[in-house]
Amino acid sequence: DIQMTQSPSTLSASVGDRVTITCRASQSIIRWLAWYQQKPGKAPKLLIYKASSLESGVPSRFSGSGSGTEFTLTISSLQPDDFATYYCQQYNSYVYTFGQGTKLEMK
Amino acid sequence: EVHLVESGGGLVKPGGSLRLSCAGSGFTFSSYIMHWVRQAPGKGLEWVSSISSSSTSIYYADSLKGRFTISRDNANSSLCLQMNSLRAEDTAVYFCARLAAAPGLNYWGQGTLVTVSS
Repeated sequence: DIQMTQSPSTLSASVGDRVTITCRASQSIIRWLAWYQQKPGKAPKLLIYKASSLESGVPSRFSGSGSGTEFTLTISSLQPDDFATYYCQQYNSYVYTFGQGTKLEMK
Repeated sequence: EVHLVESGGGLVKPGGSLRLSCAGSGFTFSSYIMHWVRQAPGKGLEWVSSISSSSTSIYYADSLKGRFTISRDNANSSLCLQMNSLRAEDTAVYFCARLAAAPGLNYWGQGTLVTVSS
């Protein structure tokens, strides 16, 4: 299976900060990568697909980039609603895999 | 509006079996690949299995080692996960999901909790 490694595991930040989360794949996944946001007790919500395409209704402060094995999710100016856990997920192979998650917490 | 509703979770003893179901509505169920994803308490997301629209292609996470079986009934817009030889580490919320990576097509159910404990 393709392994996905996110960093950092936890990120402390303040409202208005620019934050970046990194996701690395154990082999090339081209651009077949999605990013999800999950809040406690809720199902994940798709933010980004195909590495950099913004899902409908997702604020433009979220952006994704990367290709091959290294990808990033950037939030340009953190809002109070953005404190949550973020996951990357590859869909290059039929066996999907998620990163271990990055918890974004208030500093 | 798209809805995915899981059922069948509960408490089961180690070594036991459980069958989860997911009812889909608000979309043409037979047109989509469907997935199960699980999340152990306080842990991250783990992809479990997927099944193609016509059930011809089925995939599982290596960690399941043949204990789980996914199936679907397109006539009734339902997805199932048969779980056998359950272990404590299978304790998790199990989500039914349509993991379509395209605008407006990605949907998840609310999840059903499976607890494996004696």
